[in-house]
Amino acid sequence: DGGITQSPKYLFRKEGQNVTLSCEQNLNHDAMYWYRQDPGQGLRLIYYSQIVNDFQKGDIAEGYSVSREKKESFPLTVTSAQKNPTAFYLCASSDLETSTDTQYFGPGTRLTVL
Amino acid sequence: GQNIDQPTEMTATEGAIVQINCTYQTSGFNGLFWYQQHAGEAPTFLSYNVLDGLEEKGRFSSFLSRSKGYSYLLLKELQMKDSASYLCAVLNSNYQLIWGAGTKLIIKP
Repeated sequence: DGGITQSPKYLFRKEGQNVTLSCEQNLNHDAMYWYRQDPGQGLRLIYYSQIVNDFQKGDIAEGYSVSREKKESFPLTVTSAQKNPTAFYLCASSDLETSTDTQYFGPGTRLTVL
Repeated sequence: GQNIDQPTEMTATEGAIVQINCTYQTSGFNGLFWYQQHAGEAPTFLSYNVLDGLEEKGRFSSFLSRSKGYSYLLLKELQMKDSASYLCAVLNSNYQLIWGAGTKLIIKP
C-alpha cells in the first residue's frame, strides 16, 4: 500500500522548544517537499529535496531545518528561531521521471505552540 | 512578482454546476494543477493541464487558456461531499509550484 505518512497528526509544544516532524514515503519518489499552510493563504514552500543528501531552501526556510539521509525520509525540524510556528505542515513527494511532476501529499501535521 | 488569483469563497446548490476560476501571472509556465482539500486534510490531486483546452474527468473538468493566463475547474452534478477548498497551482519555468490561496466551495442542499 503505497503512500506518504506523516506523524504525528497533532503536536503541541511549548515555546522555545525544537520539534521534529516526520515524513516517510514508499512511492520511490525522488523529490520531497515541506509546505506550511496558514488560514487564508496558499501553500508556502519551506524546503525541498530532489536527491538524497541534498536539499534546497524554499520561500520561508528561516527557522526550519531538514535532512535527507534516505530516499524515503525527509524530516523537518521546527526550531525555536521560527517566530510563528503554529501552522498546518504538509509533506509531499513527486516522481521526477514523469512529465507532469505531480506532487502527492501526506495527511499533514498540525503543530500548535503554546 | 508571481501570483495566482482565485475567488475566496463560492456557494452552490446540490445537483447544480459550478465553475471555479483561476488567473495566473508566473515566470514561465510548465503546467497548471487543481487540487481538492477537505477541511483539516491534505490536498488531493484532481487535474493537470499543460495544453489549451478542456480535460474531462468524470464530474470534474478543467480548462486552460495559456494566452489569457486563465483556467477554470468545472464541477457538475454537485454532491455534498464536494464541499471543500479547491487549490489552483502553476508550475513555473523553474519547475517551482506557485499556489493560489484556494477557493472554499460551500454546497447547500
